[in-house]
Amino acid sequence: GQQLNQSPQSMFIQEGEDVSMNCTSSSIFNTWLWYKQDPGEGPVLLIALYKAGELTSNGRLTAQFGITRKDSFLNISASIPSDVGIYFCAGLSTSGTYKYIFGTGTRLKVLA
Amino acid sequence: GAVVSQHPSWVICKSGTSVKIECRSLDFQATTMFWYRQFPKKSLMLMATSNEGSKATYEQGVEKDKFLINHASLTLSTLTVTSAHPEDSSFYICSVRDHPSYGYTFGSGTRLTVV
Repeated sequence: GQQLNQSPQSMFIQEGEDVSMNCTSSSIFNTWLWYKQDPGEGPVLLIALYKAGELTSNGRLTAQFGITRKDSFLNISASIPSDVGIYFCAGLSTSGTYKYIFGTGTRLKVLA
Repeated sequence: GAVVSQHPSWVICKSGTSVKIECRSLDFQATTMFWYRQFPKKSLMLMATSNEGSKATYEQGVEKDKFLINHASLTLSTLTVTSAHPEDSSFYICSVRDHPSYGYTFGSGTRLTVV
């Protein structure tokens, strides 16, 4: 199935550092979502974006809906150990079927 | 968002047997639920869209006779893996499309191991 490309694929950072990851597609999306998944659990929604150019924050997390509608970015400020996990972006298909396409994931590991 | 319960959280079965996974929307009437499959260290792949009171819509490449989906009520969708084989071992996750955000709320997933 179709997937969105996320980068980086994985990253190790020191506690307290800021993190940036992005998600790109060759297709236009109307909505972007960012999820976090802990091992053995289902993904949990972090941020939802509905308009091109929109910048939304949720605590230490900030995400942006790219102007071209083909990309999105997620930033985590002052990372803490519990930020460890896999971060997925998801784009809402414009086909009208309300199906979300998921990114390939960014695996984040935080070194204390 | 909605509260989604998935059961069982893990199951081990023998090759050739069938396994049923339940997805319940506890506080939201879900006309649509989605079933995903996730291999280790991989992304979520949509298998099918479960529609209350009608047939599920399967994604290309997903065998509908292999993965039977039933959505008999607004709060329950089931996925049955029939005649399971080791290659069916995976993490299966359901989700509900919440309104008005149109985001998904996911269940906690079911890890299926076929031996």
